[in-house]
Amino acid sequence: SQTIHQWPATLVQPVGSPLSLECTVEGTSNPNLYWYRQAAGRGLQLLFYSVGIGQISSEVPQNLSASRPQDRQFILSSKKLLLSDSGFYLCAWSSTSGSRNEQFFGPGTRLTVL
Amino acid sequence: AQSVSQHNHHVILSEAASLELGCNYSYGGTVNLFWYVQYPGQHLQLLLKYFSGDPLVKGIKGFEAEFIKSKFSFNLRKPSVQWSDTAEYFCAVNPKGGKLIFGQGTELSVKP
Repeated sequence: SQTIHQWPATLVQPVGSPLSLECTVEGTSNPNLYWYRQAAGRGLQLLFYSVGIGQISSEVPQNLSASRPQDRQFILSSKKLLLSDSGFYLCAWSSTSGSRNEQFFGPGTRLTVL
Repeated sequence: AQSVSQHNHHVILSEAASLELGCNYSYGGTVNLFWYVQYPGQHLQLLLKYFSGDPLVKGIKGFEAEFIKSKFSFNLRKPSVQWSDTAEYFCAVNPKGGKLIFGQGTELSVKP
């Protein structure tokens, strides 16, 4: 069966420091991968998605970037964190077969920028 | 722009009460529809989905949802809630060939 992992689970970082959040998927090949930010009362905001290695689409201009160095690995990064980057970050995957786009979510990373 | 609207931000019910959470979307074409649930401290997980066919969809834990195309709605229902249903519920819409768009979420608190 497929599983999705995210780490770290929680992270506290100072303003201006770099960021790297990792997401890996097991049990499937060539998945679509997604990074979301979840804010209270605002639902899930899609930040990036990827349909293959090295292919990244950005949905919202911001201080973050994403990379996909391997088929089942998706990384969210920042060179210099801002206070406004605090939030709950979710990684998700979906199958590339068909067009039903059912997504499966990881446990998330709680990021606090101080 | 396509959007999904959940009208209730926070719903408080007593156990055994009936539940209906509203979800409306703005998109005129064919869509796939989802309800996700996030229990405290747990992953966001799929509650039920609609792709085609019978517009009344049954999900896990006694939940159901009805797709009404003319109203662009996909409301979630449960006849009798339990304390364990306390969670945040998200409606999501996927226009065919497009991305998944989430509503703002509804926090459900069930009092024992």
